[in-house]
Amino acid sequence: AQKVTQVQTEISVVEKEDVTLDCVYETRDTTYYLFWYKQPPSGELVFLIRRNSFDEQNEISGRYSWNFQKSTSSFNFTITASQVVDSAVYFCALSDPWGGNQFYFGTGTSLTVIP
Amino acid sequence: KAGVTQTPRYLIKTRGQQVTLSCSPISGHRSVSWYQQTPGQGLQFLFEYFSETQRNKGNFPGRFSGRQFSNSRSEMNVSTLELGDSALYLCASSYDGAEAFFGQGTRLTVV
Repeated sequence: AQKVTQVQTEISVVEKEDVTLDCVYETRDTTYYLFWYKQPPSGELVFLIRRNSFDEQNEISGRYSWNFQKSTSSFNFTITASQVVDSAVYFCALSDPWGGNQFYFGTGTSLTVIP
Repeated sequence: KAGVTQTPRYLIKTRGQQVTLSCSPISGHRSVSWYQQTPGQGLQFLFEYFSETQRNKGNFPGRFSGRQFSNSRSEMNVSTLELGDSALYLCASSYDGAEAFFGQGTRLTVV
């Protein structure tokens, strides 16, 4: 069974601090996709990144970076020099190539960046 | 390029009524999926449509149904509404199933 766990329910940081959001997943598939989405108060889920299971290369995009480690089934997300606009709920998700758009979401981490 | 459009944004319905939500995917995307988001259960997959066929279904009662039209627009219907159906309903569209782009959702309140 597919499962995604985000143990951090809420995180508060002061602006300009770095923050890491943890994500641990479970799957029996050897091929799968991992995602991070951001949900601001408006409700829309904003796509941040997709990783497939064969690509363990870490990725950096501006102030965002992702650390994918198959050995620990983790796909962590770091925001460097956080800003107030980063305040949102962040979801980690898992899907398999045969499941279409069936995503398995974690419960989300609510990030508050304090100015 | 227009994003995923969901209508209406807000709905208030009475228990026992039925409701229809609409989703227009990104142009060229043939896959549309629906999710229910509640504080207690989080984001749960309802179903997915691809080229007018239901390709995948989550664990929801038969009161929840959907369909997809030839232009890829999708509708979701909930019959005999219950208080527990109050939720944010999100629609996602995808071209190849590897990335999903979500709409802003329809917030349904059942009273």
